[in-house]
Amino acid sequence: DTEVTQTPKHLVMGMTNKKSLKCEQHMGHRAMYWYKQKAKKPPELMFVYSYEKLSINESVPSRFSPECPNSSLLNLHLHALQPEDSALYLCASSQDVGGANTGELFFGEGSRLTVL
Amino acid sequence: ELKVEQNPLFLSMQEGKNYTIYCNYSTTSDRLYWYRQDPGKSLESLFVLLSNGAVKQEGRLMASLDTKARLSTLHITAAVHDLSATYFCAVDINKGAQKLVFGQGTRLTINP
Repeated sequence: DTEVTQTPKHLVMGMTNKKSLKCEQHMGHRAMYWYKQKAKKPPELMFVYSYEKLSINESVPSRFSPECPNSSLLNLHLHALQPEDSALYLCASSQDVGGANTGELFFGEGSRLTVL
Repeated sequence: ELKVEQNPLFLSMQEGKNYTIYCNYSTTSDRLYWYRQDPGKSLESLFVLLSNGAVKQEGRLMASLDTKARLSTLHITAAVHDLSATYFCAVDINKGAQKLVFGQGTRLTINP
């Protein structure tokens, strides 16, 4: 079983809705990530948080708003999404982002989002 | 821009056979990762390769890294049905900042 927990597992929302995806890890990791994966495609990096601070934003549209309340929690706030944003959203964590860190990512089960 | 290319993209093989998946990347990196993904599921970490010449083995899978050739291989020995999945390699292009770029994935089907 994964030690990165994501909720909800499935989410259907309209283009005018506001919703949030949540991610939690209890491995003491200090880096957390959001990835987006379309069907039959590889995951694409969206955001990286290191020590609760946003360190990488891969030019993601502002309708996606990440938040890291503490080192164990990561949220992705969704507002005014488009149907093309429908995808599997994967949260991941790693021990750190420092050079000595192996960089191994541990992924959650994902939240499957459908935008109508 | 970093490109990570896997070959083949689709592989159908019989149980008991051996095969190799290749992962080529276009820029210098000495960190490469292999992940497995079952349909509708998340990604499971298989191997972490952190230096030139690194070789890791787990069961019927063995991964290697040649940073000079910018090539990693994932070798499957005596395949079994349970290994059917999509396999991704991923390269860290920003050492320490964990900016992974994934290959397209290789969809492996192992037939009895």
